[in-house]
Amino acid sequence: DTEVTQTPKHLVMGMTNKKSLKCEQHMGHRAMYWYKQKAKKPPELMFVYSYEKLSINESVPSRFSPECPNSSLLNLHLHALQPEDSALYLCASSQEETGAPYEQYFGPGTRLTVT
Amino acid sequence: AQKITQTQPGMFVQEKEAVTLDCTYDTSDPSYGLFWYKQPSSGEMIFLIYQGSYDQQNATEGRYSLNFQKARKSANLVISASQLGDSAMYFCAMRELMIKAAGNKLTFGGGTRVLVKP
Repeated sequence: DTEVTQTPKHLVMGMTNKKSLKCEQHMGHRAMYWYKQKAKKPPELMFVYSYEKLSINESVPSRFSPECPNSSLLNLHLHALQPEDSALYLCASSQEETGAPYEQYFGPGTRLTVT
Repeated sequence: AQKITQTQPGMFVQEKEAVTLDCTYDTSDPSYGLFWYKQPSSGEMIFLIYQGSYDQQNATEGRYSLNFQKARKSANLVISASQLGDSAMYFCAMRELMIKAAGNKLTFGGGTRVLVKP
């Protein structure tokens, strides 16, 4: 099973709402990632979790709050977003070993629209 | 300086023909991995092929092959016998393995959009 699932597929939220994006994998991967992708652009890394600990935060605004409750789940909590935060949010996972070039497996993404 | 450069924003290819997508990279890390991903309009990033910096042979995976020229720092993707389902955005990406600050970061190029014509 090489599947990463993400819910919801689409989300429309107002600037004062609080919502969460969810990501799940059952491949035993110990590294999980959040990416943001604007139209016609490559994905931009937001956060990396390694063994359920946050290892990389790419200077993401605090209105985005990641959470890794266990090795299979990754959440992204959203609060007070701006219209420019509208994008495709991709979750990915990979095996984790220092210096090893494991490929990342991506989920289908959540298309977020902030109104 | 850009670490991954894909110079072709878009390409047309005739069905059943081969197409080459260009990718050049820049790193001082002697140990790195190069990846190609396909992104259809549905949005999901699909892993296609991997090449390690110390691999002696070019990687192949079905209809995908990687033309790796280390001295030129290029890792071009070749898709043989194009199919209509190959129409998608293609991203080249790199992971630097020895630079600790790089962590698990995958750096992506700007992408090349491929449209296969029947």
